[in-house]
Amino acid sequence: AQKITQTQPGMFVQEKEAVTLDCTYDTSDPSYGLFWYKQPSSGEMIFLIYQGSYDQQNATEGRYSLNFQKARKSANLVISASQLGDSAMYFCAMRLSYNTDKLIFGTGTRLQVFP
Amino acid sequence: EPEVTQTPSHQVTQMGQEVILHCVPISNHLYFYWYRQILGQKVEFLVSFYNNEISEKSEIFDDQFSVERPDGSNFTLKIRSTKLEDSAMYFCASSEAGDSYNEQFFGPGTRLTVL
Repeated sequence: AQKITQTQPGMFVQEKEAVTLDCTYDTSDPSYGLFWYKQPSSGEMIFLIYQGSYDQQNATEGRYSLNFQKARKSANLVISASQLGDSAMYFCAMRLSYNTDKLIFGTGTRLQVFP
Repeated sequence: EPEVTQTPSHQVTQMGQEVILHCVPISNHLYFYWYRQILGQKVEFLVSFYNNEISEKSEIFDDQFSVERPDGSNFTLKIRSTKLEDSAMYFCASSEAGDSYNEQFFGPGTRLTVL
């Protein structure tokens, strides 16, 4: 069955430091997309970054990068130079290519950035 | 930048009442979705909608739920007879296409409280 696992319920990081949020996934489909979303305390879901299963290079978007290790089925989010505004819940999600439209979410990691 | 909008932001209702949650997807998007997030839990897929019909639904989306695109811009979720366990944040999302690499843009959510 398709599944996303985020094993870190909470993480702390000091401002300006880098932090890695873990995500592993399970699927037997060869074609899929992996997404990270940020959910601040206000509740909205903000798209951060995308990685396709056939992409050769790790995705990057500004301070966000995705450490994609296909053989390990992991898609960890790396936030460099953390800012206080990065404090939020972070969700990893997967979408398969065939016969389904839905995003499958993990349980999330709450990141707290302290000064 | 175009965005998904949702109204109302908060809805309080009595158990057994009908509620309709409203969404305006991004104008050139063709695929529409509803997700829900019970407080403190992960985001769960409810239903996807394409070409004026449901393309996929989860086991949560039972006969009490329905979706409609009444005109060219709105996309609604109706809960016919609300239960206490329907209390959650409901997110509408839209995407340009149905492929796994297409980002789903989320609205800010409607917090539904059933008393």
